[in-house]
Amino acid sequence: QKEVEQNSGPLSVPEGAIASLNCTYSDRGSQSFFWYRQYSGKSPELIMFIYSNGDKEDGRFTAQLNKASQYVSLLIRDSQPSDSATYLCATEGSARQLTFGSGTQLTVLP
Amino acid sequence: DAGVIQSPRHEVTEMGQEVTLRCKPISGHDYLFWYRQTMMRGLELLIYFNNNVPIDDSGMPEDRFSAKMPNASFSTLKIQPSEPRDSAVYFCASSLASGGTTDTQYFGPGTRLTVL
Repeated sequence: QKEVEQNSGPLSVPEGAIASLNCTYSDRGSQSFFWYRQYSGKSPELIMFIYSNGDKEDGRFTAQLNKASQYVSLLIRDSQPSDSATYLCATEGSARQLTFGSGTQLTVLP
Repeated sequence: DAGVIQSPRHEVTEMGQEVTLRCKPISGHDYLFWYRQTMMRGLELLIYFNNNVPIDDSGMPEDRFSAKMPNASFSTLKIQPSEPRDSAVYFCASSLASGGTTDTQYFGPGTRLTVL
C-alpha cells in the first residue's frame, strides 16, 4: 500500500464550480502536508502547505487537514480552465523528504 | 533569481550507455533532492543531500545509479549502464532549511530520458 493515496481521476468539473481533491496518508507521524500542481510536461509547483488541523485558505484554494482521519483535501473554488492540471499530495518526513501520491488529474470544462 | 537548473532537458541514449544528469540548485539552498517520475510509479524520491552530504539513498533503484554533490552549487545523477526501464523524467529540487517544519521544495524543469 502506498503511503499517500489519491484518487487518480480524471476529475472533471465545469468552469466556476468547486473542485474537491482528496488524499489519505498512512504515516501517523506525518506533520506537514503539501499540495503541488503539475501542468502537462512541466515540473511540480507548490500551491499550499498545511500542518495544523482545520482549514487553510489562500485565494481560491482551501486546504483541509484532519490528522485523526489521516486525510488531507484541497478545494478549488470558482474553478478555471487554467486550473486543469495534475494535483499531487505529499507528506513530509522527519528529514524533510517528501512522499508523493500518484496525483489526481483535474479538467475544468469551459 | 534563477530557479533550479537542470541539463540536459532531453536525453536519448542507447541501452548500455552511461548517462549523466546535472543539477544546479537555487543559490543558498542547503537541501537537494533527485526524483524520478513515470506514469506507472509516479514521482519517486531517489536520493537527497543536506549540505552536500547524501542523507538517504534508499530510493536509488540499484547499483547502476549513483549521485554526487561535489559542492553546494552542483549535483550529478549518473546511470551506468542505462536500460530501457530507466526511461523517465528526472527532476532535481532544492529547499532551504529554515529551522521550521515546512520548507518549500522548488523543482527544476526536469530531464526527459529515453533509453532505446
